[in-house]
Amino acid sequence: GAGVSQSPRYKVAKRGQDVALRCDPISGHVSLFWYQQALGQGPEFLTYFQNEAQLDKSGLPSDRFFAERPEGSVSTLKIQRTQQEDSAVYLCASSPSGRAINRELFFGEGSRLTVL
Amino acid sequence: DAKTTQPTSMDCAEGRAANLPCNHSTISGNEYVYWYRQIHSQGPQYIIHGLKNNETNEMASLIITEDRKSSTLILPHATLRDTAVYYCIVRSGGGSNYKLTFGKGTLLTVNP
Repeated sequence: GAGVSQSPRYKVAKRGQDVALRCDPISGHVSLFWYQQALGQGPEFLTYFQNEAQLDKSGLPSDRFFAERPEGSVSTLKIQRTQQEDSAVYLCASSPSGRAINRELFFGEGSRLTVL
Repeated sequence: DAKTTQPTSMDCAEGRAANLPCNHSTISGNEYVYWYRQIHSQGPQYIIHGLKNNETNEMASLIITEDRKSSTLILPHATLRDTAVYYCIVRSGGGSNYKLTFGKGTLLTVNP
């Protein structure tokens, strides 16, 4: 498809398990973002990539969260030793421009993580 | 980035215009106003953005007051599919500012 694709759409994990969430951005898009959205809240910024470089990871809530984009296209968000407070929808967005100014972000449908 | 204030919820009748207000009284000269919406169980969708002039596209119109301290998003003929959370976001036009900072937005419910 032409849009941002995320998988899995739904993930249930037991507390303490590791999870990996995948994002396929729109082909050719330079910028890639991860956001976390808790129930009833707006999305919150986690991290930003320009091509393969992770330029900002200031929003990652702990060192259990790790993101990578090794070839500048597909990205993976990994959460180690999941906790209940990690339950949320994880949104990926991409943009064609490295500056991303005046350019819209294209969001995927998100991966809903539930930690039991 | 400047903080925005939006009503928590609004209702609109199908076929009527929906006018969604946003206050951004601390906006500075190089900050743009963006609107996104999020339909239930989907990711946010870009609607429109502007700096100081009014803007219109196929989805909506954006009216920014002359002092730029507030704006209104107008959906001219709301349909049931426009029911969503609408986010007003202010973002600097500076080259290093790439983030969108979402608030809680306005839940617009379009009623038949």
